[in-house]
Amino acid sequence: RKEVEQDPGPFNVPEGATVAFNCTYSNSASQSFFWYRQDCRKEPKLLMSVYSSGNEDGRFTAQLNRASQYISLLIRDSKLSDSATYLCVTGRNRDDKIIFGKGTRLHILP
Amino acid sequence: DADVTQTPRNRITKTGKRIMLECSQTKGHDRMYWYRQDPGLGLRLIYYSFDVKDINKGEISDGYSVSRQAQAKFSLSLESAIPNQTALYFCATSDLGGSNQPQHFGDGTRLSIL
Repeated sequence: RKEVEQDPGPFNVPEGATVAFNCTYSNSASQSFFWYRQDCRKEPKLLMSVYSSGNEDGRFTAQLNRASQYISLLIRDSKLSDSATYLCVTGRNRDDKIIFGKGTRLHILP
Repeated sequence: DADVTQTPRNRITKTGKRIMLECSQTKGHDRMYWYRQDPGLGLRLIYYSFDVKDINKGEISDGYSVSRQAQAKFSLSLESAIPNQTALYFCATSDLGGSNQPQHFGDGTRLSIL
């Protein structure tokens, strides 16, 4: 089983809709979690960290479910500019390892 | 100015050539990383460094070497380039605090080996 798994998509979503995707992680020692956004042929950029209690940044909400070992990203009122690949990232303090998922592709349709 | 700068941005070269990719940062971070990204394979870690005297292999270090010349500079070398090293290469940095800290990426170097 891969350490971090994401549905590759693509998710094709009409503009204005709400979209959510999950990322599962296999190592219960994972302690830090992030969502990154990557545009085509560009560098990954930090979208948000994911905190245990869940957190929100504008239209974006991230949740962590430690019991089921997944994190989620919810995007409300989606914009055309949200079209990108979203990378899930976990970190482990024990061996200082950071693992990137392969990403979920999102297409927002006009 | 970008906080993490990679040079060159694009490079086309021939099999067997030695190539160096440079990364410099103004973020003051101790930790630096080199990744390659291939379609369908995601980001794969080549080498990383936690300070000037520290170099560690990642999951795909064969065929690559690195040098941490200073806190702000981390270069990646391909001693004898081969076509399957054609990829998008990213340098990244992170602050102390280990895996709790997010990584910050440079713009990438698109490398083609003919």
